[in-house]
Amino acid sequence: DAKTTQPPSMDCAEGRAANLPCNHSTISGNEYVYWYRQIHSQGPQYIIHGLKNNETNEMASLIITEDRKSSTLILPHATLRDTAVYYCIVRVANAGGTSYGKLTFGQGTILTVHP
Amino acid sequence: NAGVTQTPKFRVLKTGQSMTLLCAQDMNHEYMYWYRQDPGMGLRLIHYSVGEGTTAKGEVPDGYNVSRLKKQNFLLGLESAAPSQTSVYFCASSVGHEETQYFGPGTRLLVL
Repeated sequence: DAKTTQPPSMDCAEGRAANLPCNHSTISGNEYVYWYRQIHSQGPQYIIHGLKNNETNEMASLIITEDRKSSTLILPHATLRDTAVYYCIVRVANAGGTSYGKLTFGQGTILTVHP
Repeated sequence: NAGVTQTPKFRVLKTGQSMTLLCAQDMNHEYMYWYRQDPGMGLRLIHYSVGEGTTAKGEVPDGYNVSRLKKQNFLLGLESAAPSQTSVYFCASSVGHEETQYFGPGTRLLVL
């Protein structure tokens, strides 16, 4: 799976959009971009994923550049409850063998939402 | 629909004791996983299962055993606990052909 690079920390004002960047310059054509977050003392929570096209769900939007070397997770109206560590993960869908199902979590971005 | 649940939430063991962590999911997922999370290490895969009756080793399987006797349950066993196994343990599950994993709330284990 391709390696990802994220800023270690970011701040955001409550009610504003939070834009979390991720670089994945070595991504392969069959690798998806996944975003998870982990609120303190809780299990990781799936947010969104995509391959090429931009994606949106009830939690967030995912913008993937045309060359797929980077992406941005957008939380449109951040709240205090969005304070968490956000992980960008690149992985092959339906991988088999020893990497079957493994999610590789890096250090992530600590997002702090301020009142 | 409870999703993925884990029991117990917290446990203290003495070195050499044994215990079993239980993971249950009600989403009819085929795949289940056990991870451990340590400070500065991220999540590491211990064992996983691609279906009832099957298990396989992940990145850090030593000192752990697993069983998947029922599709909805995935058990993680520590036969002889060691202080190095002090960690937070997360279980996850996923549908067969979609790799999105859904995690439980975690079990905090302290081995003295």
